[in-house]
Amino acid sequence: AQSVTQLDSQVPVFEEAPVELRCNYSSSVSVYLFWYVQYPNQGLQLLLKYLSGSTLVKGINGFEAEFNKSQTSFHLRKPSVHISDTAEYFCAVTRGASGGSYIPTFGRGTSLIVHP
Amino acid sequence: DVKVTQSSRYLVKRTGEKVFLECVQDMDHENMFWYRQDPGLGLRLIYFSYDVKMKEKGDIPEGYSVSREKKERFSLILESASTNQTSMYLCASRSGLAGGLNTQYFGPGTRLTVL
Repeated sequence: AQSVTQLDSQVPVFEEAPVELRCNYSSSVSVYLFWYVQYPNQGLQLLLKYLSGSTLVKGINGFEAEFNKSQTSFHLRKPSVHISDTAEYFCAVTRGASGGSYIPTFGRGTSLIVHP
Repeated sequence: DVKVTQSSRYLVKRTGEKVFLECVQDMDHENMFWYRQDPGLGLRLIYFSYDVKMKEKGDIPEGYSVSREKKERFSLILESASTNQTSMYLCASRSGLAGGLNTQYFGPGTRLTVL
């Protein structure tokens, strides 16, 4: 079975500061990894995803994430946040080609709060 | 642009009522999902549909049923609403080709309150 742990339920940060949102996964098979963002009163939308290849993945709105297989992590980073980045962020995992569930498993979410 | 629409943004129902939540997608996606979102618990899968008339229970199916008679429409049914079903309900769709590597597309959500 696969699982996802988002280590921080809430991350407060000042505008223009860097931020890292942490995600660890558990799976015995290869995986695909996703970060979704949910702005207030909206559904989720894709920020970025890792399928294969380069471990550094760039997404929309200046976000990037690094896949680390040895640490089973997929942390999301942004070098300088804006007020408009205030949102809920979800990490998700599905199986790769060799087994496991292709139904996505989501973490519990991290609320990023950007202060002026 | 992929569009997933949900029939209501806000819904208020009474305990014991039968409730229908509708979801429609316009991208000819095979897979559709119903999630429930509660603070601190993230997204929990209620039901998943592989394709028309195909369904699979998720993590929390009790008290819910689903219907997928047409490819574009996936309905969630609360047979007898209870106060503990007060929540945000999110629908999503995804191409079924190549399975798990595809992006899910979400609707805006329905905030259901059961009194």
